[in-house]
Amino acid sequence: DVVLTQTPPTLSATIGQSVSISCRSSQSLLHSNGNTYLHWLLQRPGQSPQLLIYSVSRLESGVPNRFSGSGSGTDFTLKISGVEAEDLGVYYCVQGTHAWTFGGGTKLELK
Amino acid sequence: EVQLVESGGGLVQPGRSLKLSCAASGFTFSNYYMAWVRQAPKKGLEWVATISTSGSRTYYPDSVKGRFTISRDNAKSSLYLQMNSLKSEDTATYYCARHVSFDYWGQGVMVTVSS
Repeated sequence: DVVLTQTPPTLSATIGQSVSISCRSSQSLLHSNGNTYLHWLLQRPGQSPQLLIYSVSRLESGVPNRFSGSGSGTDFTLKISGVEAEDLGVYYCVQGTHAWTFGGGTKLELK
Repeated sequence: EVQLVESGGGLVQPGRSLKLSCAASGFTFSNYYMAWVRQAPKKGLEWVATISTSGSRTYYPDSVKGRFTISRDNAKSSLYLQMNSLKSEDTATYYCARHVSFDYWGQGVMVTVSS
């Protein structure tokens, strides 16, 4: 089974600061069809998760462009360029190349 | 507007069964794989089940395989999760979500397994 390890588990940031979250997979997420099914979600307090980034780097419609994703193979990164108050919550990576697995989450809080 | 609305949660005793439903609207339901994802209290997200567009293929993690069954009725734009032999560790909020990239989620429904 694929294991996704997110670091750090908790991230403290000030408004306007740029931050990055890492997601490392126990296996390559490159599918035999050439696609990489690694996505990023945000769950704000008391809300359902929402999709931010799909297929490593594609920004979901309506998501601010301060969010960006990168990576390949087993190492992936979500970057927020200038944290805003509405960005606080728990971020999850999820893979869909080998069945489906969620990372353990990274909680973004205000410093 | 895409909407996913879960129902059927509640308190159930260990070993008993429960069936969750998810009513979909705002998109062509039969064109999408669908999934159930759960979240235990204060914990992270866990994938529970996935079903193909026609319902002919289903997928489960080992934690629920043989106990949970995902199904769908495309004519009714509805997704279901039959949960049997429930255990205390199945206590969670259950979400239905649209695949492939989990781009839409319902509001979730709470299932509590306790005597």
